[in-house]
Amino acid sequence: DIQMTQSPSSLSASVGDTVTITCQASQDISNSLNWYQRKPGEAPKLLIYGASNLETGVPSRFGGSGSGTDFTFTITSLQPEDFATYYCQQNENGPYTFGQGTKLEIK
Amino acid sequence: QVQLVQSGAEVQKPGASVTVSCKASGYTFTNYDINWVRQATGRGLEWMGWMNPNNGNTGYGQKFRDRVTMTRDTSTNTAYMELSSLRSEDTAIYYCARFYYFDRSGAFAFDIWGQGTVVTVST
Repeated sequence: DIQMTQSPSSLSASVGDTVTITCQASQDISNSLNWYQRKPGEAPKLLIYGASNLETGVPSRFGGSGSGTDFTFTITSLQPEDFATYYCQQNENGPYTFGQGTKLEIK
Repeated sequence: QVQLVQSGAEVQKPGASVTVSCKASGYTFTNYDINWVRQATGRGLEWMGWMNPNNGNTGYGQKFRDRVTMTRDTSTNTAYMELSSLRSEDTAIYYCARFYYFDRSGAFAFDIWGQGTVVTVST
């Protein structure tokens, strides 16, 4: 199975900050990497697919990059509604494993 | 609009089985795989498996292979996930999700999710 190592596990930031989350795959997954946002009481929401493509309707302050084994997710100019938990997920090979999640909290 | 609507919360005893349904609308049900993902309290997202609604083919995560069955009813555009031999560790929110192909990029992702079904395993 492909292991996804996501860091940090938690992060404190202020409105207006820029934050970065990383995700490392245990083997080459090309660009088969997606990022999801999860808020309490809600289903996960797709933000970025194929490592760097912004899902329709998602604000441009969200971005992703990387390929192979190392990936980065960035939120610029944090807004109050961005405080949530973020997950990376690979679908290069089954099982389609998720990272452990990064909880983004208000400082 | 495109949506997946899941069945309501369940409470089951250890050793029992539970079936969660996921009704698709707003798109051609047989065109996209349905995947199932769960999240236990305080834990992360855990992928369980996939089902092709067109031909019924399935693929399960090794952890669930002996206890999970994913099926569908194409007459009602509904996918089902049955988990048997329940234990307390199966207490979680269960989600179905559409596995969508973004043809411009060649990427796949879970683009539409059901609202989640809470399954509680308790005596």
